[in-house]
Amino acid sequence: AQSVTQPDIHITVSEGASLELRCNYSYGATPYLFWYVQSPGQGLQLLLKYFSGDTLVQGIKGFEAEFKRSQSSFNLRKPSVHWSDAAEYFCAVGHSLFSGGYNKLIFGAGTRLAVHP
Amino acid sequence: DTGVSQDPRHKITKRGQNVTFRCDPISEHNRLYWYRQTLGQGPEFLTYFQNEAQLEKSRLLSDRFSAERPKGSFSTLEIQRTEQGDSAMYLCASSIITEAGGAYNEQFFGPGTRLTVL
Repeated sequence: AQSVTQPDIHITVSEGASLELRCNYSYGATPYLFWYVQSPGQGLQLLLKYFSGDTLVQGIKGFEAEFKRSQSSFNLRKPSVHWSDAAEYFCAVGHSLFSGGYNKLIFGAGTRLAVHP
Repeated sequence: DTGVSQDPRHKITKRGQNVTFRCDPISEHNRLYWYRQTLGQGPEFLTYFQNEAQLEKSRLLSDRFSAERPKGSFSTLEIQRTEQGDSAMYLCASSIITEAGGAYNEQFFGPGTRLTVL
């Protein structure tokens, strides 16, 4: 069965420091991979996605993620964190369809990011 | 605002009561998804529609849960005889698929309906 693991429940970084959030997935085929961010009172917002091609993908708000098939990982990174990045981050894999594309998303449990001034 | 909207945003009910939530997807989005998110967890898939057809239901969706999308636009999620374990955030998302584009497009999420069962 497909699953997503986010090993870190909470992470605290100082403003201006670099960030890496870990994500490991279990899936047989080439996965559709996503990172979403959820701020209090806000809906989930897509940061970036990987379907195929270049394994380093750029997203919004200065985030990037790297797909490593050998490690079944899709870690999210940001070189310099801003206080407004404090939120909950979810990694997800899309359930592939034989006809192409995906339908439902399978999410990890999330990582809560706190940013110290 | 043309995003996904959900109503109500908060619902407090007593155990055993029925509740209904509404989701209005982004106009022209033909796929609509329902997810449930409990405290400290990521969202879990419940069900999804393509136009008015309900294509998949999770085993999380017990017979007390029913979802509809009668005209292929808005959707409702009803929970009958609520239990305390139903307390959660119920999220709706929509996306568009086309013959040319396939099912690769982003799911846009609404703000959710927070249900508290006392």
